[in-house]
Amino acid sequence: DAKTTQPTSMDCAEGRAANLPCNHSTISGNEYVYWYRQIHSQGPQYIIHGLKNNETNEMASLIITEDRKSSTLILPHATLRDTAVYYCIAKIVRGGSNYKLTFGKGTLLTVNP
Amino acid sequence: NAGVTQTPKFQVLKTGQSMTLQCAQDMNHNSMYWYRQDPGMGLRLIYYSASEGTTDKGEVPNGYNVSRLNKREFSLRLESAAPSQTSVYFCASSDTGTGYNEQFFGPGTRLTVL
Repeated sequence: DAKTTQPTSMDCAEGRAANLPCNHSTISGNEYVYWYRQIHSQGPQYIIHGLKNNETNEMASLIITEDRKSSTLILPHATLRDTAVYYCIAKIVRGGSNYKLTFGKGTLLTVNP
Repeated sequence: NAGVTQTPKFQVLKTGQSMTLQCAQDMNHNSMYWYRQDPGMGLRLIYYSASEGTTDKGEVPNGYNVSRLNKREFSLRLESAAPSQTSVYFCASSDTGTGYNEQFFGPGTRLTVL
C-alpha cells in the first residue's frame, strides 16, 4: 500500500465545508484511495473510495487530482457530529493482498459551533 | 440490520486468565477481521478470515487464536492474557466479492489485563 500523508489536525466551522487533504505521491495505478473516519470511542466507519474519477455519496465527495498524487475529502456541510479522526488509505483492491487496512494517524477534524 | 456486533463491550482480566471475544455480522459478508487499537496508534490486524472455513494471521497474531464458527461469527480467544494485550479490539467484516473491500466495523471491546 502506498504511503499517505495527512495533516495532524484541522478545524472547521459548523455548517461550512470541511476539506481534508491527503498526499499519496507514490500511489500506483491499481491502488484505490479509501477514506474512513473514527468518532471518539467508536469503530472506524467507511466513507468513500475512488480510483481516478471524482466520487460522491451521501456522506462526502472525493476529489482526486489528475496525476493521482493527492486527493481531498469534502464534507459539504460539516456538523458537530463530524468531529472525528479521518483516515486516508491507498490500497490495491483487485489481485493484491486486500485484507489489511493500514490506518496511519489520520487527521483530527474538529467542527466548532 | 444490526451490522457488526461485539460482546462484551468491556472486560477486565487478570494476567493468565483466558477469554473469548465474540463477533457477529448480519450482512452476509464473506470476510471478517480482528484488529486491535492501542492509544496513539492506528489499528493493527490480528487475524482475518477471507471466507468461511479459512483463517490467516495478520500483523500481530501472537497470543491469540481465532475461530470462524460459520459465515456470521468470528471469535477471538486469548488463552493466557498478558498486560500487553490491554487494548480496544475491533471486529470488522467485508464483502470481498465486490472487489472493493469496504470494511464495516463493530463498536469494539475494551479489554484491560491487570
